Amino acid sequence: DQQVKQNSPSLSVQEGRISILNCDYTNSMFDYFLWYKKYPAEGPTFLISISSIKDKNEDGRFTVFLNKSAKHLSLHIVPSQPGDSAVYFCPTVSGNTPLVFGKGTRLSVIA
Amino acid sequence: DGGITQSPKYLFRKEGQNVTLSCEQNLNHDAMYWYRQDPGQGLRLIYYSQIVNDFQKGDIAEGYSVSREKKESFPLTVTSAQKNPTAFYLCASSIDPGLYNEQFFGPGTRLTVL
Repeated sequence: DQQVKQNSPSLSVQEGRISILNCDYTNSMFDYFLWYKKYPAEGPTFLISISSIKDKNEDGRFTVFLNKSAKHLSLHIVPSQPGDSAVYFCPTVSGNTPLVFGKGTRLSVIA
Repeated sequence: DGGITQSPKYLFRKEGQNVTLSCEQNLNHDAMYWYRQDPGQGLRLIYYSQIVNDFQKGDIAEGYSVSREKKESFPLTVTSAQKNPTAFYLCASSIDPGLYNEQFFGPGTRLTVL
């Protein structure tokens, strides 16, 4: 049973516009939600996180929104830049268990 | 310079041979993890270790083995029992297996079995 779903395998956005990446989750017991960014042939790097007690967290161009009632998480990148082109994952944290990763969404920012 | 190192970056082996992938961290992290990435599959957990001399199976442990004799090292052996070993392997670590479990990843090893 996949606990985290990223229903859009890919997304293309023009440079300067907003990128919106989405995740849906099934388990209400997650404590934290994280976003990771991954370039090809490299390890993922941490981008931004949000606690389950908040509904928004902002860091520069990146904002994460959490809708607990809908069990939905989104990452907004504005303005999008070509260097943002990567695969984005939204793993979740529950207690002391390892991160649960989805399949990721490939973002392509077109210049 | 603290971080996680995986070596080598690329590894080639003949079918039927066991191969060990190295993962070392100097971050003084308690927990370490191994993931596998295949095209279109995201990251799947193979094994993880929350403390020295202890480890647990992840979602796809069959055909793999690990050891955790030292805090800084968590080698992964891909055995001949693994049906499809060709993949990109990622090692990660976290400060502890506690509540906020941000993981730091190594650069990965791409294993190709010929």
